[in-house]
Amino acid sequence: GNSVTQMEGPVTLSEEAFLTINCTYTATGYPSLFWYVQYPGEGLQLLLKATKADDKGSNKGFEATYRKETTSFHLEKGSVQVSDSAVYFCALRPPGSGNTGKLIFGQGTTLQVKP
Amino acid sequence: GAGVSQSPSNKVTEKGKDVELRCDPISGHTALYWYRQSLGQGLEFLIYFQGNSAPDKSGLPSDRFSAERTGGSVSTLTIQRTQQEDSAVYLCASSLVLGQETQYFGPGTRLLVL
Repeated sequence: GNSVTQMEGPVTLSEEAFLTINCTYTATGYPSLFWYVQYPGEGLQLLLKATKADDKGSNKGFEATYRKETTSFHLEKGSVQVSDSAVYFCALRPPGSGNTGKLIFGQGTTLQVKP
Repeated sequence: GAGVSQSPSNKVTEKGKDVELRCDPISGHTALYWYRQSLGQGLEFLIYFQGNSAPDKSGLPSDRFSAERTGGSVSTLTIQRTQQEDSAVYLCASSLVLGQETQYFGPGTRLLVL
């Protein structure tokens, strides 16, 4: 079946540190891949996405590359800020699910950035 | 409205009672989705609407759960005879068309069943 696995949190970093949040997936075919972010007290927001192998999604200094060979979509940022503190969710949309819109999410990884 | 809104933001209820959760999608969005976020279980897809129609109800956890959407806009998720295991955050999302990549999420309703 289709599934997403994320590294467990919380991840605690100092400001300006390098961030990696690992995400691997299981899916048949070529799913679309997403990172969503949930800031405290707010709803989920799409952070970035990639729809085919070797695509790189990027937004707000965050990047993730769709790696078919390792079935991964790791989230990275070169220099985190306190305002990046949030819960990050990796998700996939299975191929052929365009007529349902169903997203499959990982467990979420909490990031805490300290000044 | 500017974004997806949900009400109530928090709901505490006694086991066995019925609850109704409301979702107001972004104006003009034809597709609407419900998810459940349980502690330790991540986000679980429940049901989707295309207009007022929900063709696939298989994602609902049990027959105590039902959902409807009227006028192509507001949706309600109803849980009858609530159980403690129903405690979770219920999230609603909408998109311009069904299956469009970007789903816009509401802040959720936190349900606690005592």
